[in-house]
Amino acid sequence: SQQGEEDPQALSIQEGENATMNCSYKTSINNLQWYRQNSGRGLVHLILIRSNEREKHSGRLRVTLDTSKKSSSLLITASRAADTASYFCATDVTSGSRLTFGEGTQLTVNP
Amino acid sequence: DVKVTQSSRYLVKRTGEKVFLECVQDMDHENMFWYRQDPGLGLRLIYFSYDVKMKEKGDIPEGYSVSREKKERFSLILESASTNQTSMYLCASSFSTLGTGELFFGEGSRLTVL
Repeated sequence: SQQGEEDPQALSIQEGENATMNCSYKTSINNLQWYRQNSGRGLVHLILIRSNEREKHSGRLRVTLDTSKKSSSLLITASRAADTASYFCATDVTSGSRLTFGEGTQLTVNP
Repeated sequence: DVKVTQSSRYLVKRTGEKVFLECVQDMDHENMFWYRQDPGLGLRLIYFSYDVKMKEKGDIPEGYSVSREKKERFSLILESASTNQTSMYLCASSFSTLGTGELFFGEGSRLTVL
């Protein structure tokens, strides 16, 4: 089974609203990363948060990490139609040597 | 600008054909990866490589092989394509050791096997 699981699977909001996506994982991690994928394209790295960090910001993105609950959330503030994409979390497990991706959240921002 | 280039965006092949998917990166990264992406299954790691001529199996290596003769190039080979290998294939590279850093992805190769 996947190490990371995103929730919800799909999210539809209006432009200007905030979007929150969650990721849960099963085993201890070195870091957790979020990626974005526009339809039919490759993934683009958004942000990396290490296991000893609790919160990180990048522009309109805010990521939190709760290692006790083995979960992370990605908040996109003041969303735009151009934010429409799939968002994936990826975990770097401490016992492994590569990233494991979840199934993604499909975000639709309606203009 | 960093760049990972996959040789073909779209391919259509017949069952039993040998298929080569090429990936080239220009960032002098040690680590390179091949994933496949399918609806409902997310991204699954096929093979990865931490150095030239070195390869490691990922989660779903069956039916695939890889080649890394040069640092910048990582090839995925389907020895005898089957219809269940119809998928989007994504190549990625990274600089950090143990593959834990940021991954840079190519645009993907969508393979259809008839």
